[in-house]
Amino acid sequence: DIQMTQSPSSLSASVGDRVTITCRASQDISNYLAWYQQRPGKVPKLLIYGASTLQSGVPSRFSGSASGTDFTLTISSLQPEDFATYYCQKYNSVPGTFGQGTRLEIK
Amino acid sequence: QMQLVESGGGVVQPGRSLRLSCAASGFAFRSYSMHWVRQAPGKGLEWVAIISFDGDNRYYADSVEGRFTISREVSGNMLHLQMNSLRPEDAAVYYCARGIVVGPAGLGYLDFWGQGTRVTVSS
Repeated sequence: DIQMTQSPSSLSASVGDRVTITCRASQDISNYLAWYQQRPGKVPKLLIYGASTLQSGVPSRFSGSASGTDFTLTISSLQPEDFATYYCQKYNSVPGTFGQGTRLEIK
Repeated sequence: QMQLVESGGGVVQPGRSLRLSCAASGFAFRSYSMHWVRQAPGKGLEWVAIISFDGDNRYYADSVEGRFTISREVSGNMLHLQMNSLRPEDAAVYYCARGIVVGPAGLGYLDFWGQGTRVTVSS
């Protein structure tokens, strides 16, 4: 099975910072990659699909990009509500493996 | 508005069975694939299973293959997960989620999630 590896596992940042989270696939998954946000005690929320397409209603400070098997989620200017755990997920084939998550904390 | 409401969670002994359900409303249930995803306490998300919009295709994570069965009732807008031979490592919050099918394998991403139902496996 294809493995999805996120880095870093955790990250401390301040409001207004620009942050980048990376997800690496162990094999080619084309652009079949989604990003989700999960706030503490809440349900996961879709942010980005197709590696770079913003889901409707998601603020434009979120963006995604791809380079080969490396995928990046960028938050251009952190807001207080962005402190959460972020997951990538591949969906090119079964199983729909998630990355292990990146916990974004307030510095 | 769209709703996915899970039910059926609880405490069960190892080796026993449990059936989870997910009631869908506010969208054309028969037109979407549906997934189950779980999250063990303090852990990350784990994809569990998918059923196609018509129920003809079902796929499972290796960790549940042969023990869990996903099904759907189009008439009642219901999704189910029959879980047999439960193990302590199956303890988690189980989410149902709507799938948007993209790509060659018919898997897709998850654009809407229910609130989850908790399963505890303990003697």
